[in-house]
Amino acid sequence: GENVEQHPSTLSVQEGDSAVIKCTYSDSASNYFPWYKQELGKGPQLIIDIRSNVGEKKDQRIAVTLNKTAKHFSLHITETQPEDSAVYFCAARSTGANNLFFGTGTRLTVIP
Amino acid sequence: SQTIHQWPATLVQPVGSPLSLECTVEGTSNPNLYWYRQAAGRGLQLLFYSIGIDQISSEVPQNLSASRPQDRQFILSSKKLLLSDSGFYLCAWKDRASPRTFFNEQFFGPGTRLTVL
Repeated sequence: GENVEQHPSTLSVQEGDSAVIKCTYSDSASNYFPWYKQELGKGPQLIIDIRSNVGEKKDQRIAVTLNKTAKHFSLHITETQPEDSAVYFCAARSTGANNLFFGTGTRLTVIP
Repeated sequence: SQTIHQWPATLVQPVGSPLSLECTVEGTSNPNLYWYRQAAGRGLQLLFYSIGIDQISSEVPQNLSASRPQDRQFILSSKKLLLSDSGFYLCAWKDRASPRTFFNEQFFGPGTRLTVL
């Protein structure tokens, strides 16, 4: 089955700086890669996703890149703000699969 | 629009007691439904998923069971709770997989915090 690894497990940045979270996956058939943000005591919320036919997707301060050859994808947050502090999860799903396979999460802290 | 509900929001139960957590989805039909557990500071562990009424797949052997008595209702149960069952339980839904909906997003509920003492 699919195995998704996520790094780093914790990340602290100064407000205004950029943050990058990286994930790798093992199943070359995976073709959908969402990112979720989980605030304390709440369920994860989808913030951005990318499909395998696209190399990069951007939504305001958030961007995701995908390298299918290397089987890795990354979340980029620019101009970080304190409200970006949360746990971020990457995930992958392959054709015909019912399930998402999640990374272990990254706790991002933005220091004011 | 679609919404997903979970209750209760928090629950404290003694070891050996039964458990029933409920999840319902509104605004969609024939969804895939999922139960996840998140231990403190840990990632998301898929426990069960369902592609239809009374169709339940278990991902890990455990003390828990799941049922789907109605299309948009997913229940997580246990006959006797263990200390290790403590955690944050999340229900999620997604449109039933098809070529048209394959890339549809998976949405999570607000979660239930279970503490077993």
